[in-house]
Amino acid sequence: AQSVTQPDIHITVSEGASLELRCNYSYGATPYLFWYVQSPGQGLQLLLKYFSGDTLVQGIKGFEAEFKRSQSSFNLRKPSVHWSDAAEYFCAVGRPNFGNEKLTFGTGTRLTIIP
Amino acid sequence: EPEVTQTPSHQVTQMGQEVILRCVPISNHLYFYWYRQILGQKVEFLVSFYNNEISEKSEIFDDQFSVERPDGSNFTLKIRSTKLEDSAMYFCASTSGNTIYFGEGSWLTVV
Repeated sequence: AQSVTQPDIHITVSEGASLELRCNYSYGATPYLFWYVQSPGQGLQLLLKYFSGDTLVQGIKGFEAEFKRSQSSFNLRKPSVHWSDAAEYFCAVGRPNFGNEKLTFGTGTRLTIIP
Repeated sequence: EPEVTQTPSHQVTQMGQEVILRCVPISNHLYFYWYRQILGQKVEFLVSFYNNEISEKSEIFDDQFSVERPDGSNFTLKIRSTKLEDSAMYFCASTSGNTIYFGEGSWLTVV
């Protein structure tokens, strides 16, 4: 069964500091991997996705993520965070174009930014 | 940019009442989903829908739940007799292939 682990429930970083959010997955085949962001009271916005090819993918808002098959990881990074990045971040795995497969989400990491 | 839209954004209902949550998926998408997020918990899959029928459903999606695509644009989730534990954010989503796009969600509060 597929699963996603986000080991950090809550992370606090200073504005301007670098950020890395961890994500580990378990999946029976080559995964499609996603990061979504959820601002308070808002919906899920797609930050970036990995399907194949270059293992370093760029997303919106200056985020990037690196797929490491050997570590079953897909960590999200940003070199310099802004106060507006404070939100909940969800990693997800699945292959939606394979027989209508669903996404499996991690428990999320809440990011707090301090001045 | 096309988006998934959901109504209502927030609904408060009494326990035992029927609730219908509405969604307009992105127009050229073929697969539709409902997910749920109980406050403070992770996003959970409820049901997927393709070609006018349910493709897959989770354990959460029991007989109290139903989905329908009544016309060419809307996709609805009905909860027949709401329980307190149905209080959650309900997300509609759609895809035409490899990326699932989510709506803003409908907050359901059962009192």
